[in-house]
Amino acid sequence: NAGVTQTPKFQVLKTGQSMTLQCAQDMNHNSMYWYRQDPGMGLRLIYYSASEGTTDKGEVPNGYNVSRLNKREFSLRLESAAPSQTSVYFCASSEHISGAQPQHFGDGTRLSIL
Amino acid sequence: ILNVEQSPQSLHVQEGDSTNFTCSFPSSNFYALHWYRWETAKSPEALFVMTLNGDEKKKGRISATLNTKEGYSYLYIKGSQPEDSATYLCASGGNTGNQFYFGTGTSLTVIP
Repeated sequence: NAGVTQTPKFQVLKTGQSMTLQCAQDMNHNSMYWYRQDPGMGLRLIYYSASEGTTDKGEVPNGYNVSRLNKREFSLRLESAAPSQTSVYFCASSEHISGAQPQHFGDGTRLSIL
Repeated sequence: ILNVEQSPQSLHVQEGDSTNFTCSFPSSNFYALHWYRWETAKSPEALFVMTLNGDEKKKGRISATLNTKEGYSYLYIKGSQPEDSATYLCASGGNTGNQFYFGTGTSLTVIP
């Protein structure tokens, strides 16, 4: 009964390094999302994938890329990490893209960039 | 970008007290309003999704109401218990995936 699984849970990077955050869901959901959580701010959408094979920008996409590898997996890549990308990252999924569908979240990845 | 606001930012209540908090959102082009419960070190968990003006949802001691005309939703907790301690998030959802906006949450602490 895993739901949404994110790896890694914690990561420390140096400025300029790259890394990929992995996300997988086992609920056969069509839509997947990446958010970042910063102190004093609500969850902000980075990118989303309405269905397998499609990806679109959210509110704060700069500095990130995504890949919807298959229906289960949606990865987030930081090509050249910057201190401003220090944050907690959440992956979520929903049955369909409609805003009336509840989203199911992973446990988050805490990323620090020095 | 939609401005979703929650109040109060934090709340401390005694065990057994009933409490409520507010989520406000722009009433124009309303589509859906979500409430999530977020316990420390866990992931947000969906509580309710409401789409119609006047909607009321209930799950155990927790209930929510929706007023789309004036742009607010209330979350009520009856007889608060220590296990209710969490951050409660609301989010306004549009008809596409890039129109999902979260408030900053209300942090509830229930004191035994």
